[in-house]
Amino acid sequence: GPKVLQIPSHQIIDMGQMVTLNCDPVSNHLYFYWYKQILGQQMEFLVNFYNGKVMEKSKLFKDQFSVERPDGSYFTLKIQPTALEDSAVYFCASSTTHSQNTLYFGAGTRLSVL
Amino acid sequence: GDSVTQTEGQVALSEEDFLTIHCNYSASGYPTLFWYVQYPGEGPQLLFRASRDKEKGSSRGFEATYDKGTTSFHLRKASVQESDSAVYYCALRPFPSSFSKLVFGQGTSLSVVP
Repeated sequence: GPKVLQIPSHQIIDMGQMVTLNCDPVSNHLYFYWYKQILGQQMEFLVNFYNGKVMEKSKLFKDQFSVERPDGSYFTLKIQPTALEDSAVYFCASSTTHSQNTLYFGAGTRLSVL
Repeated sequence: GDSVTQTEGQVALSEEDFLTIHCNYSASGYPTLFWYVQYPGEGPQLLFRASRDKEKGSSRGFEATYDKGTTSFHLRKASVQESDSAVYYCALRPFPSSFSKLVFGQGTSLSVVP
């Protein structure tokens, strides 16, 4: 089936540094999402993105977070600066439309902030 | 706010055993309910969904029935196989919802031994 690719699979950085998580969504999809999963907890919605804009975001999407998809390339999540509590697995997802359409998830990027 | 509770964190079964994973939700109106499955090294993928009271979703021998009276969507399979070993997530999408923001349960790790 359709695949969402996330690069890298694991990233280790020092607290205070900037990190960019990359997502290659399914090619004809128009809606993009990030979810965060802290170890042992459920996946939680961060943000969704369409037509170059953030459409909806949760309280977890702090001011240090930003998303973009320049020129149809990777859909990225940037955290600047990082904090210890940002350590988690970040899942990217995409869908053709919103509402009733199926979300396709990547395998996640494990972010470890030291 | 909306929430999903999965009672079992881990389930260990033998092949051909009967599986039940309990899922209860809290949300207003008629949310859409989902079961996702995540195999090792992959992202969560949709197993099936249901949108109306008493609707049954099913796929690959798994099934669940939307029960608004008990706010439940329990996952069942009559005879599990080793290949069913994975993490199973129950999720809901609030209604009405403009965008595909999913609320996930904590996940249930299923281990099936031959």
